[in-house]
Amino acid sequence: AQSVTQLGSHVSVSEGALVLLRCNYSSSVPPYLFWYVQYPNQGLQLLLKYTSAATLVKGINDFEAEFKKSETSFHLTKPSAHMSDAAEYFCAVSDRTGNTGKLIFGQGTTLQVKP
Amino acid sequence: NAGVTQTPKFRILKIGQSMTLQCTQDMNHNYMYWYRQDPGMGLKLIYYSVGAGITDKGEVPNGYNVSRSTTEDFPLRLELAAPSQTSVYFCASLLNSGTGVETQYFGPGTRLLVL
Repeated sequence: AQSVTQLGSHVSVSEGALVLLRCNYSSSVPPYLFWYVQYPNQGLQLLLKYTSAATLVKGINDFEAEFKKSETSFHLTKPSAHMSDAAEYFCAVSDRTGNTGKLIFGQGTTLQVKP
Repeated sequence: NAGVTQTPKFRILKIGQSMTLQCTQDMNHNYMYWYRQDPGMGLKLIYYSVGAGITDKGEVPNGYNVSRSTTEDFPLRLELAAPSQTSVYFCASLLNSGTGVETQYFGPGTRLLVL
């Protein structure tokens, strides 16, 4: 069975500071991992995904994430936060039991960006 | 393409009433999903469908029903609304190719309040 844990339900950074959102996974098979972002009153949209092609994955809006098997982690980072990055971020793992395309989501992390 | 559309955007129901949340996608995606999002809980899968005429339960199906008569539409039915069904509901779709790394595309959500 797979699961995802996001450490920290709220993260606050200053504009221009490094963004680090933590995600740890549990999986009995090689995982496929995703980061989604949800802006206020909107649906989720894909930031990036790990498909085993490369451990460092680059996404939209200068976000990137690094897959670390030894730490079972897939943390999301951005070098310099913008006010427009304020949103909720979800880490997810693909449920690979059966060809269902199902995702298992973490609890979410709300990112606050202070001026 | 409009992508995934959901109606209504917001609805207030009285306990015991019924309603149908509509979801339509115009991307010819074969797989579709219904999630509910509660604060601090991430997204939980209610039902999903891998094609017209085929549906299956997710993690939290109780109190809901679905049907999939066409590729485009995947309505979610609440028969006897309860306060515990107050939530934000998201529909998503995916074009499954069997790799497990396909992207789910989300609708904007329906906010439901049961009083």
